[in-house]
Amino acid sequence: DAGVIQSPRHEVTEMGQEVTLRCKPISGHDYLFWYRQTMMRGLELLIYFNNNVPIDDSGMPEDRFSAKMPNASFSTLKIQPSEPRDSAVYFCASCSGTAYTFGSGTRLTVV
Amino acid sequence: AQSVTQLGSHVSVSEGALVLLRCNYSSSVPPYLFWYVQYPNQGLQLLLKYTSAATLVKGINGFEAEFKKSETSFHLTKPSAHMSDAAEYFCAASPGAGSARQLTFGSGTQLTVLP
Repeated sequence: DAGVIQSPRHEVTEMGQEVTLRCKPISGHDYLFWYRQTMMRGLELLIYFNNNVPIDDSGMPEDRFSAKMPNASFSTLKIQPSEPRDSAVYFCASCSGTAYTFGSGTRLTVV
Repeated sequence: AQSVTQLGSHVSVSEGALVLLRCNYSSSVPPYLFWYVQYPNQGLQLLLKYTSAATLVKGINGFEAEFKKSETSFHLTKPSAHMSDAAEYFCAASPGAGSARQLTFGSGTQLTVLP
């Protein structure tokens, strides 16, 4: 298995633009998570899905953030409009039971 | 709600010395516990996990951790540090039962290995 695949690896965008981050989980994993990592706040859970259904989105910082999981093999995290304070590394992870696997992350820079 | 506390944001050891990274958890039920390592500009790699079986857990690269319920701790150790161990280490917890699966992370400990 290729692991959890995230794209793009790096994204630089201007303030106010829409940004879409993508994630392909490991086949057979029934949970998918989106985390954000910053120096100030560490690793924060934004949202997670079980069998494609959002379970807890209490970590989504604002209405500018939205996430979808249209099927078991794909999820997106969208920020619209983006702001400089959204600059961070965004990780996607999937799990089955207690076997969690993280993607390599998307480094987002909003200028 | 559960929380994870890592004591010491930075730890320095000499090459060949014992590595001890501290982690304490707060949870209403015994959680599952994990240690991850992150090298610069990379993702999170699992070192080891405790899932209510043996309390002493052995992981990759010579690391191990012991679950102590009475102390609500899950400290990570390695008998002899290697230069390649320099990285950031994260302790994490997930609910030990039920359908919830989210990982709650500690703030991380940056390990420096001195020659």
